[in-house]
Amino acid sequence: DAKTTQPPSMDCAEGRAANLPCNHSTISGNEYVYWYRQIHSQGPQYIIHGLKNNETNEMASLIITEDRKSSTLILPHATLRDTAVYYCIVRVSGYSTLTFGKGTMLLVSP
Amino acid sequence: GAVVSQHPSRVICKSGTSVKIECRSLDFQATTMFWYRQFPKKSLMLMATSNEGSKATYEQGVEKDKFLINHASLTLSTLTVTSAHPEDSSFYICSAPGTMDEQFFGPGTRLTVL
Repeated sequence: DAKTTQPPSMDCAEGRAANLPCNHSTISGNEYVYWYRQIHSQGPQYIIHGLKNNETNEMASLIITEDRKSSTLILPHATLRDTAVYYCIVRVSGYSTLTFGKGTMLLVSP
Repeated sequence: GAVVSQHPSRVICKSGTSVKIECRSLDFQATTMFWYRQFPKKSLMLMATSNEGSKATYEQGVEKDKFLINHASLTLSTLTVTSAHPEDSSFYICSAPGTMDEQFFGPGTRLTVL
């Protein structure tokens, strides 16, 4: 699986958009970008994934650059409950395993 | 989304005893489940892949005789930590794949070995 690079931490004000970047410059053509998050002392939660088109669901939007070397997860209106570690993972689609990096600790403040 | 449960959520045991952790997919079937371990302030590390009807596949460095995995049915996988020691104290998390290529994770089991 390709390696990803994320900032170790970010802050966001409640109600504002949180934009979490991820670099994956060695991504292969058949690798997808996945985002998960882990709230303290809980299991990770799937957020969204995409191949090359931008994706949106009820939780977030995923913007992937045209060259696919980086992406941004957008939480449009962050709440205090969005405080968590966010993991960007790149892997081939299918039942293969997930390799977690260090992720980005997002702190949403009032 | 689909729900994965784990039991117990928290367990404290004495050194040398064995502890069994259950992972269940509540509203879907899973022929494959994954077991992870997470030490404090660290990321999740995959321990093994549990396969229904066949032997588990362990990651390098994980002792298969110490971490026994049994995938008894399409909705249940168990991880038994045998002869637990304080260094086995960790947060154990299981997951199962969904139909849209996402993974559904259990809430985790906090194991403390005294």
